[in-house]
Amino acid sequence: EAGVTQSPTHLIKTRGQQATLRCSPISGHTSVYWYQQALGLGLQFLLWYDEGEERNRGNFPPRFSGRQFPNYSSELNVNALELEDSALYLCASSLTGSRGQETQYFGPGTRLLVL
Amino acid sequence: KQEVTQIPAALSVPEGENLVLNCSFTDSAIYNLQWFRQDPGKGLTSLLLIQSSQREQTSGRLNASLDKSSGRSTLYIAASQPGDSATYLCAVGGFKTIFGAGTRLFVKA
Repeated sequence: EAGVTQSPTHLIKTRGQQATLRCSPISGHTSVYWYQQALGLGLQFLLWYDEGEERNRGNFPPRFSGRQFPNYSSELNVNALELEDSALYLCASSLTGSRGQETQYFGPGTRLLVL
Repeated sequence: KQEVTQIPAALSVPEGENLVLNCSFTDSAIYNLQWFRQDPGKGLTSLLLIQSSQREQTSGRLNASLDKSSGRSTLYIAASQPGDSATYLCAVGGFKTIFGAGTRLFVKA
């Protein structure tokens, strides 16, 4: 069974540009989570989607947004990129986000570099 | 606001030693607590998930305990091996999943 996949593996952008990151959950999983792991910082919760709806978001500005498609895959969009957006972006999926009691399985991440 | 702390930040042990990693959290109203390992530059691998109603979970050489009342969890690794070298993260599950900063473990052969 395929795990969580993310694309691209690496992404290089310049300040002010937009970045789009993609995530495909494990088959049968309806919840997708996005996290940012900046150098020297811990994992920071970004967004949680379940059944196509945004359920919660972390303390990030509105230029971080996303969506979940009918097939449960997800996109993370970062507009007006800033240098400090450079980080490893990790996506995770779980069977359901109901009451947050399911194990989260992580993808390999997309490393975003903003120049 | 939930805060998660992991102690120690780094740990170096000889192969074969048993060790304990600690995780503490400030808000006991959690859904679950999950332990992960992260290898350099890689994603996270789930190790154990403890539901809020459980006290411990075991998988092979790993045992994780949860004491919600005191806001603590421990990950016990028995008979450590060089392949256990990684960063270990605990994550407290609620409406948001909050991660600790991790413990970087190095097991010397």
